[in-house]
Amino acid sequence: GENVEQHPSTLSVQEGDSAVIKCTYSDSASNYFPWYKQELGKGPQLIIDIRSNVGEKKDQRIAVTLNKTAKHFSLHITETQPEDSAVYFCAAPPSKAAGNKLTFGGGTRVLVKP
Amino acid sequence: DTGVSQDPRHKITKRGQNVTFRCDPISEHNRLYWYRQTLGQGPEFLTYFQNEAQLEKSRLLSDRFSAERPKGSFSTLEIQRTEQGDSAMYLCASSLAASWDEQYFGPGTRLTVT
Repeated sequence: GENVEQHPSTLSVQEGDSAVIKCTYSDSASNYFPWYKQELGKGPQLIIDIRSNVGEKKDQRIAVTLNKTAKHFSLHITETQPEDSAVYFCAAPPSKAAGNKLTFGGGTRVLVKP
Repeated sequence: DTGVSQDPRHKITKRGQNVTFRCDPISEHNRLYWYRQTLGQGPEFLTYFQNEAQLEKSRLLSDRFSAERPKGSFSTLEIQRTEQGDSAMYLCASSLAASWDEQYFGPGTRLTVT
């Protein structure tokens, strides 16, 4: 099955600085890579995703890059704000034949210091 | 707001009791997933439905767990003879069965077994 590893497990940044979270995956057939933000006591919120036919996608202060050859993808948050403080999860599904269930990384706790 | 809803949000039960959780997906979504999340970890896949058919179950889903999705709308997850190790957040997600399967999560049901 799919194995997803996420680094770092915690990340502390000064407000206005950038934050980068990296994930690697094992199933070369994976073709969809979402990122979720989870605040305390809430369910994960889909914030951005990338398909395997593109290498980068941006949405305002958030961007995701994908390197299929190396089997890794990254989340970039620029101009961080205190409301960006949360736990972030990357995920990947195995091949489509397995029903698109998601395998999640272990999470990164991001703290943005004002 | 027509997002994914779950009920109850919190459940405290004594070991050995049975509990049932409900999930109402986004109305036009035909796929429904159950995940379990323990403290400090990413969500782990339990099972999923396409319409009323349960298409896959994780080995995490012991025979004390059963899920249903009658008529392909809401779903229930029942745990019989609860154990302390069942304490976790139970998350429901829904999606359209499409080429790119964006999953949207509900707020979760936090189960505490005493």
